[in-house]
Amino acid sequence: QKEVEQNSGPLSVPEGAIASLNCTYSDRGSQSFFWYRQYSGKSPELIMSIYSNGDKEDGRFTAQLNKASQYVSLLIRDSQPSDSATYLCAVNPPYSSASKIIFGSGTRLSIRP
Amino acid sequence: DTAVSQTPKYLVTQMGNDKSIKCEQNLGHDTMYWYKQDSKKFLKIMFSYNNKELIINETVPNRFSPKSPDKAHLNLHINSLELGDSAVYFCASSGDGYSYEQYFGPGTRLTVT
Repeated sequence: QKEVEQNSGPLSVPEGAIASLNCTYSDRGSQSFFWYRQYSGKSPELIMSIYSNGDKEDGRFTAQLNKASQYVSLLIRDSQPSDSATYLCAVNPPYSSASKIIFGSGTRLSIRP
Repeated sequence: DTAVSQTPKYLVTQMGNDKSIKCEQNLGHDTMYWYKQDSKKFLKIMFSYNNKELIINETVPNRFSPKSPDKAHLNLHINSLELGDSAVYFCASSGDGYSYEQYFGPGTRLTVT
């Protein structure tokens, strides 16, 4: 079982709709969770970090964390064509250095006009 | 000002050569990282230094040797380059504290022919 799993996509969402990206992780006890956006040919860019169960909102982005289900998601409201990118979920596993994060393989999101 | 910078951006070289990639951050962070992103876009940590001390050393061939002259710089030297080393190498940095949010440099695309 992969440590961090994401559906590779592509996930196609119409402009203006809500895009929902999901991620599951295997290590119970993980404490820190991150969502990165990566445009083609560019470096990963941190969008959101979340540490407690529940929702965390930042503009059009909402991260949701459920530690009991080992599940973290990212919602993008009012999707724009500029949101088309690969979204990487990352988790800090409990057994490692606090600074180590494990990345999922990413979900490719495509916003269609 | 660029927060995390890498040089060179592109590196094309032949098998068997030795090459170095340099990374600098001006964020005042204490921890720096090297990641490898392969052709399938999977992002995998290689090394991490905290205040010039090696804290993460993943299963990487010993042809790869990181060096941190000070906490703002982390270089990666690769000996006897192989075809399989072709990838994009990203440097990242993070501050101390609970979050360890990581910020990435623009990447170095290494092509070994």
